[in-house]
Amino acid sequence: ETGVTQSPTHLIKTRGQQVTLRCSSQSGHNTVSWYQQALGQGPQFIFQYYREEENGRGNFPPRFSGLQFPNYSSELNVNALELDDSALYLCASSWGQVGYGYTFGSGTRLTVV
Amino acid sequence: AQSVTQLDSQVPVFEEAPVELRCNYSSSVSVYLFWYVQYPNQGLQLLLKYLSGSTLVKGINGFEAEFNKSQTSFHLRKPSVHISDTAEYFCAVSVGDGSSNTGKLIFGQGTTLQVKP
Repeated sequence: ETGVTQSPTHLIKTRGQQVTLRCSSQSGHNTVSWYQQALGQGPQFIFQYYREEENGRGNFPPRFSGLQFPNYSSELNVNALELDDSALYLCASSWGQVGYGYTFGSGTRLTVV
Repeated sequence: AQSVTQLDSQVPVFEEAPVELRCNYSSSVSVYLFWYVQYPNQGLQLLLKYLSGSTLVKGINGFEAEFNKSQTSFHLRKPSVHISDTAEYFCAVSVGDGSSNTGKLIFGQGTTLQVKP
């Protein structure tokens, strides 16, 4: 079975720009969550999608948005990038709404300059 | 609200010595508990999880953890570490009583395990 894959692996954007990060969930998983991990910190929950609907959101502003597609892959979009958005963005997939153990991807390292 | 505290930011230890990484959580409801490992420039890998049942949980790479409800702890242990265990370790909780419709994970700040030869 394939794991969780994320693209791109690294990205450099300018403040004010918009970015889209992509995630393919593990085979058989129907739930995708996104996390932001700042340098030296633990991951912070951004939001979760279950069967193409957002069903949970962390303390992130509306300029962080997402989508889940019928094949359960997902996108994270961030508008009006700020310097503090520089972080490792992790995607995780699981089966069911209440995950009993998420499988994480290797992440996308976003640098905002 | 749930929170997780990892009591040590860095734990230096010599190769083949035992190690314990401490994790305490706060929650008014039952929780699921997890330990993840993160190697440099990589994502998170699940080491082990506690959902229910036996309070002693065995995971991959020789790690184990014990759930202690009265002390709200979930400490990670390994009897003999290797150089390859050098990494960042994260403890995480999610709500386990069905009151939440997500399994969002709340992570601690992480503990850096430094194994010295």
